[in-house]
Amino acid sequence: AQSVTQLDSQVPVFEEAPVELRCNYSSSVSVYLFWYVQYPNQGLQLLLKYLSGSTLVKGINGFEAEFNKSQTSFHLRKPSVHISDTAEYFCAVSRRTGGGNKLTFGTGTQLKVEL
Amino acid sequence: SAVISQKPSRDICQRGTSLTIQCQVDSQVTMMFWYRQQPGQSLTLIATANQGSEATYESGFVIDKFPISRPNLTFSTLTVSNMSPEDSSIYLCSVEGLAADNEQFFGPGTRLTVL
Repeated sequence: AQSVTQLDSQVPVFEEAPVELRCNYSSSVSVYLFWYVQYPNQGLQLLLKYLSGSTLVKGINGFEAEFNKSQTSFHLRKPSVHISDTAEYFCAVSRRTGGGNKLTFGTGTQLKVEL
Repeated sequence: SAVISQKPSRDICQRGTSLTIQCQVDSQVTMMFWYRQQPGQSLTLIATANQGSEATYESGFVIDKFPISRPNLTFSTLTVSNMSPEDSSIYLCSVEGLAADNEQFFGPGTRLTVL
């Protein structure tokens, strides 16, 4: 079984400040890791993904995440946030099964960027 | 990438009725997935729909409550049967990308309110 923990349900931050959204996972097998963003009243959009290779992954909108196998973490970071980054962020892990890649999502972190 | 549309985008339904949600993809895909996102919560996988075979349901979800059709490689429907207020959620469909990179693309979701 696999699980994802997002410790922070809400993260308030001022515009242009840095932010880190935390994600920890557990799995008995190798997994792939993802961060998705959900803007109000919209579907999910992929921010970035880690499949293999370099542990530092760069995504869209200036976001990046670092895969840390020893700490089973995949924290999301952005050096300077913008008001438009206000959204819900979901960390997810997937594992390959006979029925395709099944995603397990964390509970989400609401990022609120304030002026 | 894949472009996914869902109909309806939202609906308000009476207790005891059923609603069928449609998911259309702009390219042929093997696997389609249906998720539920209850208010303020994360996404939970309902089932995986593979064209030409019966859908595979996750623990806690049954075919009688959430029958799924997958008549071809670009289309699927999810029916929410005999609805109760507890079924009020956003229902999202997703597909695996054509490349072997484990990415899933999500539709915009159907926001269902059951009175």
